[in-house]
Amino acid sequence: DTEVTQTPKHLVMGMTNKKSLKCEQHMGHRAMYWYKQKAKKPPELMFVYSYEKLSINESVPSRFSPECPNSSLLNLHLHALQPEDSALYLCASSQDRAQPIEQYFGPGTRLTVT
Amino acid sequence: GENVEQHPSTLSVQEGDSAVIKCTYSDSASNYFPWYKQELGKRPQLIIDIRSNVGEKKDQRIAVTLNKTAKHFSLHITETQPEDSAVYFCAAPPDTGFQKLVFGTGTRLLVSP
Repeated sequence: DTEVTQTPKHLVMGMTNKKSLKCEQHMGHRAMYWYKQKAKKPPELMFVYSYEKLSINESVPSRFSPECPNSSLLNLHLHALQPEDSALYLCASSQDRAQPIEQYFGPGTRLTVT
Repeated sequence: GENVEQHPSTLSVQEGDSAVIKCTYSDSASNYFPWYKQELGKRPQLIIDIRSNVGEKKDQRIAVTLNKTAKHFSLHITETQPEDSAVYFCAAPPDTGFQKLVFGTGTRLLVSP
C-alpha cells in the first residue's frame, strides 16, 4: 500500500461543532504531517509528528488539536472553528523526519465552516 | 528561516513546447529540493526531487537542475502535453534536520493543445 488516505473527503461544520479529521498510511512511515491549504496558495505546515510524538507545532490555534494514536494513524480534532478556517486540510507522511523528506500527501479533507 | 521564491506565477505554453520554472532559496544548509504537481482538486504529488550532491536529475520529460552556489533550482518540462497543466510547487527544508518543507508560492502551468 503506497497511499495516504483521509476521511472524510468533505466536511461542513458550524462554529460550535466538534469534528475530527482522520489520516491513515500503511507505508511504515514514522513521520506524519498536517497541512492547511487555502485556494491558490501553497500548503502551510501545521503539525509534525515523529515516532508518534508531536515534534513541531507551527503556532496553530488551540481549536485545532492533533493526535497520533499509533504509527499509522493521525487525527485532527476540530472545535469552535471560525469561517476563516475553511480550507483543504492535507495529511502527509514520510519515512523518517531525520531522512531527506519524501513527503506523500493524502487527498485532503475540504472543510467548510459556516 | 528558509525563504523560497518561485517564478513565474503563471506560465502558458503551446503543446510540445518546453516549460521552465525557477526557485531560489535562502538557507545555504538546505540539501533536498522536491517538486510537487497539484492538479485542480487533487493532492500535491511528488514528481521529482534532487539532493545537493547532484547537479541535475532527469525522469523522462521532466528534469531538475540545481545551482548551489547561486542557491536556485529549476524544473524543466519538455514536449509539454495538456495533462501537464497543473500548479507546480517547489520546496526546500529550512535546515539539515529535514523537519519540514517550506513551499514556494506555486506556478500555474497551462498547456494549450
